[in-house]
Amino acid sequence: KNEVEQSPQNLTAQEGEFITINCSYSVGISALHWLQQHPGGGIVSLFMLSSGKKKHGRLIATINIQEKHSSLHITASHPRDSAVYICAVRPMGSNYQLIWGAGTKLIIKP
Amino acid sequence: GAVVSQHPSWVICKSGTSVKIECRSLDFQATTMFWYRQFPKQSLMLMATSNEGSKATYEQGVEKDKFLINHASLTLSTLTVTSAHPEDSSFYICSAGVVRATDTQYFGPGTRLTVL
Repeated sequence: KNEVEQSPQNLTAQEGEFITINCSYSVGISALHWLQQHPGGGIVSLFMLSSGKKKHGRLIATINIQEKHSSLHITASHPRDSAVYICAVRPMGSNYQLIWGAGTKLIIKP
Repeated sequence: GAVVSQHPSWVICKSGTSVKIECRSLDFQATTMFWYRQFPKQSLMLMATSNEGSKATYEQGVEKDKFLINHASLTLSTLTVTSAHPEDSSFYICSAGVVRATDTQYFGPGTRLTVL
């Protein structure tokens, strides 16, 4: 079993739909990252969370440390949101080493 | 937010040549830089961690003599793929770590290497 599990692996939705991507992990962590990777490869760091909830535009990220679970939500999804979304956790005691999820491929159809 | 750049964004080279990839933190000083490799449809794989002014720490299975890392300053790290072969073709991504109250990591846009 991977230490970081994302679900779903693939998600196709219509423009405007509310999107949720989940990340569960099995280790104690000091931080969790949500990243976006577009076709062509470039990675954008969306959020770094250690507790609670963060919002940036149409993106919302939440984390429940006790349940070892985080979600990334996209409201009013748009085709330009199509990308791979990656969850990565920083284990407790680690400076920067990250454990990566496999990613969720999101396709938003117009 | 902090910006990390990589140069070049893509490179095609002949087998046997060496390729240097630069990673720069543009508006902050990065105490630690990381180099990742990503194969198609796979997650990022950490290759090495470099701290400014000291030798890089390589992950198990990564050849030190093959992938030379130099972290010459707090804003620049370079990865040199020596004597490149087609199996080295991959997407290479760097990230830079910032030591603050909340440590974070900023990712470069990546460099796609194709070895013919």
